[in-house]
Amino acid sequence: AQSVAQPEDQVNVAEGNPLTVKCTYSVSGNPYLFWYVQYPNRGLQFLLKYITGDNLVKGSYGFEAEFNKSQTSFHLKKPSALVSDSALYFCAVRDVDSSYKLIFGSGTRLLVRP
Amino acid sequence: NAGVTQTPKFRVLKTGQSMTLLCAQDMNHEYMYWYRQDPGMGLRLIHYSVGEGTTAKGEVPDGYNVSRLKKQNFLLGLESAAPSQTSVYFCASRNRNSLPGGTGETQYFGPGTRLLVL
Repeated sequence: AQSVAQPEDQVNVAEGNPLTVKCTYSVSGNPYLFWYVQYPNRGLQFLLKYITGDNLVKGSYGFEAEFNKSQTSFHLKKPSALVSDSALYFCAVRDVDSSYKLIFGSGTRLLVRP
Repeated sequence: NAGVTQTPKFRVLKTGQSMTLLCAQDMNHEYMYWYRQDPGMGLRLIHYSVGEGTTAKGEVPDGYNVSRLKKQNFLLGLESAAPSQTSVYFCASRNRNSLPGGTGETQYFGPGTRLLVL
């Protein structure tokens, strides 16, 4: 069965420092991977996706993610964190059946301190 | 273009009461989904629809029913609410196009409905 794991409940980083939010996956076949962000009392917003092609995927708000097939990882990164990046981040993998539903990780709360 | 909207934003129910959550999308998307979000558990799929008039069960369907009478609307019903259904409910939609460079792989989410069952 498809699954994703986000091993960190919370990540703390100082503003201006690089940030990484970790995600590992388990899929049968080629993975379709996604990152979403949720700000307080809001719905999920799409950040970026990996379907095929370059292993480094660039997304919204300066975020990028690196697909690593050998390590089955899809970590979210940003070179310089902003206080406004503080939010809940979800990694997801698309299921392989005809529903195209997403299977989400448990989420990682990112806290960027001034 | 409002995207995905959800009604209501917040509701308090007593155990045993019923209610319907409405999701509407104006993007002409084929696929629609209902998820629930609980602390530490991410989002879990309740039901989904791959087109008008079709519905299917997701990961946690018990206690919920859905209908997709119109392509733009996806209704989630609770016939007899239970405290375990206290959660935040999100609706999402996506289009049929699944080409790698297309937008079909992206699900678009509504703002959520916060439900408290006492």
